[in-house]
Amino acid sequence: QKEVEQNSGPLSVPEGAIASLNCTYSDRGSQSFFWYRQYSGKSPELIMFIYSNGDKEDGRFTAQLNKASQYVSLLIRDSQPSDSATYLCAGRLYNFNKFYFGSGTKLNVKP
Amino acid sequence: DVKVTQSSRYLVKRTGEKVFLECVQDMDHENMFWYRQDPGLGLRLIYFSYDVKMKEKGDIPEGYSVSREKKERFSLILESASTNQTSMYLCASSLFPFGTSYEQYFGPGTRLTVT
Repeated sequence: QKEVEQNSGPLSVPEGAIASLNCTYSDRGSQSFFWYRQYSGKSPELIMFIYSNGDKEDGRFTAQLNKASQYVSLLIRDSQPSDSATYLCAGRLYNFNKFYFGSGTKLNVKP
Repeated sequence: DVKVTQSSRYLVKRTGEKVFLECVQDMDHENMFWYRQDPGLGLRLIYFSYDVKMKEKGDIPEGYSVSREKKERFSLILESASTNQTSMYLCASSLFPFGTSYEQYFGPGTRLTVT
């Protein structure tokens, strides 16, 4: 069983809309979660991380964590064509080295 | 600014060759990781190291070995390259994770083709 699961997409949204990316996880241990963006042919770059229940906002991005339901989401407001990329969700147990990555969701933002 | 560099962006090797992929980080991070990334399979951990000369197997260590003689350098070795090791290889580093954050920083990747 995969520790972190994501819908592979593609998810298509029009420019200016809200894109909602979701991730579920199987380990109930205390974890931090990380959202990475990966452009085609490039390496992943961190967007933000979250470890507490609720929402965390950073500019156009909002990460949401619901530990009871074991899901993590990333909302992108006012989506731009430059947001078109694959978004990777990763989890890590507190004080452990190993990260668990989802397979990524491809987002297309259409002008 | 954290910087993780990898020795090659593109590499073409023949079946049976011994292949070395090098990774260097300049932020004094304790942890270093090697992943491979294939379409539809996401990032899969090959090996990681939490200290000099220390290593742990990841999810897919078969056919690979690693070396960490210095804190800043982590090498991935393909003992006898095979065509099924054609992939994108990503190196990453992070601080030792006491607590909640300490994300991984990735290098630019090495696209390895084995013919």
